Amino acid sequence: EAQVTQNPRYLITVTGKKLTVTCSQNMNHEYMSWYRQDPGLGLRQIYYSMNVEVTDKGDVPEGYKVSRKEKRNFPLILESPSPNQTSLYFCASSLWGEPPYEQYFGPGTRLTVT
Amino acid sequence: DAKTTQPTSMDCAEGRAANLPCNHSTISGNEYVYWYRQIHSQGPQYIIHGLKNNETNEMASLIITEDRKSSTLILPHATLRDTAVYYCIVRVIRGGSNYKLTFGKGTLLTVNP
Repeated sequence: EAQVTQNPRYLITVTGKKLTVTCSQNMNHEYMSWYRQDPGLGLRQIYYSMNVEVTDKGDVPEGYKVSRKEKRNFPLILESPSPNQTSLYFCASSLWGEPPYEQYFGPGTRLTVT
Repeated sequence: DAKTTQPTSMDCAEGRAANLPCNHSTISGNEYVYWYRQIHSQGPQYIIHGLKNNETNEMASLIITEDRKSSTLILPHATLRDTAVYYCIVRVIRGGSNYKLTFGKGTLLTVNP
């Protein structure tokens, strides 16, 4: 089954404790992206990647890192989480081309930083 | 990308057609209209997209006016599982561009039994 998976689905952590949220897709998609969703603010893009070893900042990259060493994986790293990073996170992927293909989203990771 | 305007909420009876409008009066010739939906706190789900012609797939139909300033998403036989927030997104096509999706507030569609 074609899908985007994220782990963990739920995470409660403390300020400053490094964490990684994994994202994996099995559709051989070139493009992958991370969003965060907060009440009243909608979905905002954190980082995106157009292919292996090619990443770039989205609208809200501060406090986050990403890497794209393999086509299928795009982990989101929070080196020193803070309470303002408490949010619902989504990973998405799509083929690369024009017009932009539909994006497939993961189930989400609900992160709480205390 | 062009701005879109959608009603905040709509109701629909189960089994009836749900017609969700979207205004995109500033759309330009190289912009597509996309529809996604999000069932409570789940990942957004792609529904359909179009440029100028009407489109239909297994989930829905998309009707775009001739001047392309507005569109309507039609769910032909709404079910309770169609209760979700529906987002209308206008996307410009540029070579090598970020495929970022800009979600507005969308329309909360509630399907009632």
